[in-house]
Amino acid sequence: SQQGEEDPQALSIQEGENATMNCSYKTSINNLQWYRQNSGRGLVHLILIRSNEREKHSGRLRVTLDTSKKSSSLLITASRAADTASYFCATTPPGTYKYIFGTGTRLKVLA
Amino acid sequence: DADVTQTPRNRITKTGKRIMLECSQTKGHDRMYWYRQDPGLGLRLIYYSFDVKDINKGEISDGYSVSRQAQAKFSLSLESAIPNQTALYFCATSEEGYTEAFFGQGTRLTVV
Repeated sequence: SQQGEEDPQALSIQEGENATMNCSYKTSINNLQWYRQNSGRGLVHLILIRSNEREKHSGRLRVTLDTSKKSSSLLITASRAADTASYFCATTPPGTYKYIFGTGTRLKVLA
Repeated sequence: DADVTQTPRNRITKTGKRIMLECSQTKGHDRMYWYRQDPGLGLRLIYYSFDVKDINKGEISDGYSVSRQAQAKFSLSLESAIPNQTALYFCATSEEGYTEAFFGQGTRLTVV
C-alpha cells in the first residue's frame, strides 16, 4: 500500500495549547496537502505545500516538509474547541494526479 | 447548494443487492474520484476519472464499478454488496494540475 501514516493517532489538548501532528509518506511527491474532517463529514482542504518548499503558514497553521525524510508536520497554534476534528495528510506522486491519504490524527480540544 | 453532492447520504442494503451511489458536481472539474473510509484506515482510492472517457482503478477497486455519465456525474456501483463494504464513501473533484480536492459530504453505506 502507498498509504501514509500519521502520528499520533489521537491527541487531546486544552484550549489555547498548540497541537502538532506528523505525517510520513512512502513515495516521491509533487506536493503534500492537509485536510480536516469534522465527525464523519466531508474533508476540507487546509493547506498545500509543494515539494520544493520547506515551510508554509496560513493563519494559525504552520506546515513543514522534509522530503529527505518523507515527512511533514502540521502545527495548529492557540487551538480552539472548534479545531476538534480529524486531520489527514494527502500526497500527490508526480505524474499520477491521485491523492494518497494518511490514516489521520483525531484531535480533541478541551474547552 | 453544495459544489459536490452525493446521494443518498445514508443507505442500508442487504447482502447480494446491487446498489449505486451517485455524485454530481457544479465546479466544472474534469477530475473525479471515489474514496472509501474505514475507521483507522484513512481514505482509500476506489476509482478515479480524468474525463468522461478516462476511467482508472484505484487501490481497492475489486467489487466496485463506476460510470462517468457526464463531466459533472460520476457513479459508483456495488454489483453484489457484501458486509465488508460497509463504510463511508466519498466523492471528490479537482481541477487540472496539482491542486486541492473538493469533497462531497459522504454516503454512509451499511450492508447487512
